[in-house]
Amino acid sequence: GAVVSQHPSRVICKSGTSVKIECRSLDFQATTMFWYRQFPKQSLMLMATSNEGSKATYEQGVEKDKFLINHASLTLSTLTVTSAHPEDSSFYICSAGQGARETQYFGPGTRLLVL
Amino acid sequence: QKEVEQDPGPLSVPEGAIVSLNCTYSNSAFQYFMWYRQYSRKGPELLMYTYSSGNKEDGRFTAQVDKSSKYISLFIRDSQPSDSATYLCAMSDNQGGKLIFGQGTELSVKP
Repeated sequence: GAVVSQHPSRVICKSGTSVKIECRSLDFQATTMFWYRQFPKQSLMLMATSNEGSKATYEQGVEKDKFLINHASLTLSTLTVTSAHPEDSSFYICSAGQGARETQYFGPGTRLLVL
Repeated sequence: QKEVEQDPGPLSVPEGAIVSLNCTYSNSAFQYFMWYRQYSRKGPELLMYTYSSGNKEDGRFTAQVDKSSKYISLFIRDSQPSDSATYLCAMSDNQGGKLIFGQGTELSVKP
């Protein structure tokens, strides 16, 4: 199957700082990547859809100025959590579609803890 | 009412048992159905993918889709302790589009 990586796997930061999370498709080109957030014992909630070369599409209730998404190439999308607060602490997961196939492959996730 | 309903469990079975996991949904436009396995603190791993109605088998795993009842299932035969994880159903109404996830069922297979 296709491989998607995320970096970092875990980050701890102070309240008010910004954190950047990278998502890479390692062995395929992904025109579309998705960013999810998952709280403990809950399912994945889609935050935004990231399209290479264009602005991301955010889900209702997700602040686009707080969660900045950049999809600079066909293999890289970044999510920046700006001015992070403790309530932003969560597990952030990206996924990427593999061309014409109708499936998404997920990265290993990034655990963010804001103190 | 959620678009996708899934019993969160937890579900505990003895090793070797047949496991049945299910999801129901309300949106008749869904055509693509997936099952993902997620180990603790890891990203979801695609297990099965099905388009429209029917059955699909892959090793010990069988996925079933009944669009008339808006009901999908995942069966695990000869369950192993390594199958202990959270199983998430997901579905979409278009190719490569937004996935709607169930809550996930936590499965524990006891040796």
